[in-house]
Amino acid sequence: EVQLVESGGALVQPGGSLRLSCAASGFTFSKYTMHWVRQAPGKGLQYVSGISPNGGSTYYADSVKGRFTISRDNSKNTLYLQMSSLRAEDTAVFYCVKEWRSIETALVYFDYWGQGTLVTVSS
Amino acid sequence: EIVLTQSPATLSLSPGERATLSCRASQSVSNSLAWYQQKPGQAPRLLIYDASNRATGIPARFSGSGSGTDFTLTISSLEPADFAVYFCQQRSSWPPTFGQGTKVEIK
Repeated sequence: EVQLVESGGALVQPGGSLRLSCAASGFTFSKYTMHWVRQAPGKGLQYVSGISPNGGSTYYADSVKGRFTISRDNSKNTLYLQMSSLRAEDTAVFYCVKEWRSIETALVYFDYWGQGTLVTVSS
Repeated sequence: EIVLTQSPATLSLSPGERATLSCRASQSVSNSLAWYQQKPGQAPRLLIYDASNRATGIPARFSGSGSGTDFTLTISSLEPADFAVYFCQQRSSWPPTFGQGTKVEIK
């Protein structure tokens, strides 16, 4: 059974830093691109960042570029998101998400999501 | 970036009724569209991919259709477990974007 368990969410002051972790199990972690997607309270979903299987390629939404850094440790089956210069608008539940490729079209989607970890940025 | 607009924002229906949810893209996404279901306090669940293919374990009462800019998610006969928020999402271009969601609530 695929499991994605996020941790590290907390209350942090504006301008502060935080590192999120996602422990993966139930699949070969090192073979899949992984992502972070966030959801502000009562709002929709917003893409944050992604990383290729070997970590060689990373992707960021414009809103977090230069402030967030995604990384992974395949030996520990763990995904990370280092967040700095946090702003009030970064307040959200952050989900760790596994990418999956459609057999029919080779298009990629998000097939498994963790339960999320809450980041609150407030003074 | 591609903007996805979902309608209606809220759909009030009774169990057993048919639900029809719409997702419109600001430009063509071909068939690179997915639908997700999210229940309160839970993570989203993939329902439909490639606009019309059901994900593993998804009941046949869920169906997706459309291509280009106009897409529909249909739930043929609502069951109590289906009352939730539904999001569409495109992977045609970077960055991946989501619609704002349609809440299906019990009437």
